[in-house]
Amino acid sequence: QQQVKQSPQSLIVQKGGISIINCAYENTAFDYFPWYQQFPGKGPALLIAIRPDVSEKKEGRFTISFNKSAKQFSLHIMDSQPGDSATYFCAAITYNTDKLIFGTGTRLQVFP
Amino acid sequence: DGGITQSPKYLFRKEGQNVTLSCEQNLNHDAMYWYRQDPGQGLRLIYYSQIVNDFQKGDIAEGYSVSREKKESFPLTVTSAQKNPTAFYLCASSASGTANTGELFFGEGSRLTVL
Repeated sequence: QQQVKQSPQSLIVQKGGISIINCAYENTAFDYFPWYQQFPGKGPALLIAIRPDVSEKKEGRFTISFNKSAKQFSLHIMDSQPGDSATYFCAAITYNTDKLIFGTGTRLQVFP
Repeated sequence: DGGITQSPKYLFRKEGQNVTLSCEQNLNHDAMYWYRQDPGQGLRLIYYSQIVNDFQKGDIAEGYSVSREKKESFPLTVTSAQKNPTAFYLCASSASGTANTGELFFGEGSRLTVL
């Protein structure tokens, strides 16, 4: 119930291509769905986030698509660049718990 | 500069020794967290604290202990009871309750190697 399932585990994309990472959840009580980006040897940092009453959120080349009925959400990175090479984590939280549930992560490599 | 400071960045210890990792924040956040990250794995929650003098076990608390005597500080002790302590440890903080939008601010991490 508390899990967030993330796929794929790793992703290789050509520069300029679209990177797509998918996540699924079971708990309908989740209030907020953030995505984190982590570079090697660093702590994760918030990339973009969405609330369940919104179907899409776009910030630059990064877009979250949210399907409430299917309990799925995904991150799309348009025009992927080598600098986007990192590990990406989806997550979900119920406000009153203060406990963020992370997916298992996707290692993205973008080749020139 | 506001943020999370973890120390030390790298730590080597002999098997059977207790180790304490430091985490300090100046973001005035009520909630603080410790995560463990192993190669190719996700972030696993060890302990978290929503308020001073209170903390809860996460998913993998066995072999670890914490204290929260001050709002700014949340040290983690890796005890000799932890079977496989070599890992990358991440501390984070956030607003609490309805102000918590899921944005955690992470430190740079502490890499512990047990020889």
